[in-house]
Amino acid sequence: AQSVTQLGSHVSVSEGALVLLRCNYSSSVPPYLFWYVQYPNQGLQLLLKYTTGATLVKGINGFEAEFKKSETSFHLTKPSAHMSDAAEYFCAVTYRGGGYNKLIFGAGTRLAVHP
Amino acid sequence: DAGITQSPRHKVTETGTPVTLRCHQTENHRYMYWYRQDPGHGLRLIHYSYGVKDTDKGEVSDGYSVSRSKTEDFLLTLESATSSQTSVYFCAISEGQANSPLHFGNGTRLTVT
Repeated sequence: AQSVTQLGSHVSVSEGALVLLRCNYSSSVPPYLFWYVQYPNQGLQLLLKYTTGATLVKGINGFEAEFKKSETSFHLTKPSAHMSDAAEYFCAVTYRGGGYNKLIFGAGTRLAVHP
Repeated sequence: DAGITQSPRHKVTETGTPVTLRCHQTENHRYMYWYRQDPGHGLRLIHYSYGVKDTDKGEVSDGYSVSRSKTEDFLLTLESATSSQTSVYFCAISEGQANSPLHFGNGTRLTVT
């Protein structure tokens, strides 16, 4: 069975500091991995996804994530946090051959950015 | 933004009453989904649809039913609302391939008193 664990339900950083949001997954078959962002009172927006190919994936708003099969991880990073990055972030997994994308979501990490 | 409209955006209802939430899309995507979002649980799949009149259960389907009579509309019904169904409900759509991202609506906040 697939599962997603996001370490840290709340992360706080200073503006300009590195953002690191952790995601570990469990999957018995090669996964597809996604990061979504949710701003207050809105739905989820896709930040980036890993399907095949390059393991370092670049997304919108300066975020990137690296798929590490040996560590079963897909951590999200951004070199320099901006106040507008404050939001909730969700990691999600599905798998190849699944037939449709029934995503399994992590519990989410709320990112706070302070001046 | 993908053309997804959820209605109503907010609803307060009493325990035991039926409630229907609507999702309307203009993207002509085959797959539609209903999720609920609760603190500490992320998003959990309630039901999904892979075509008109074709639906299936997700991981938290008890107490919910769905219908899809047209490609663009996907209805979620709580037959007899309970306080445990107080949540934020999100509709999503996708093209259906496993590597296709989901596109989400802005959610319906439902409170059952």
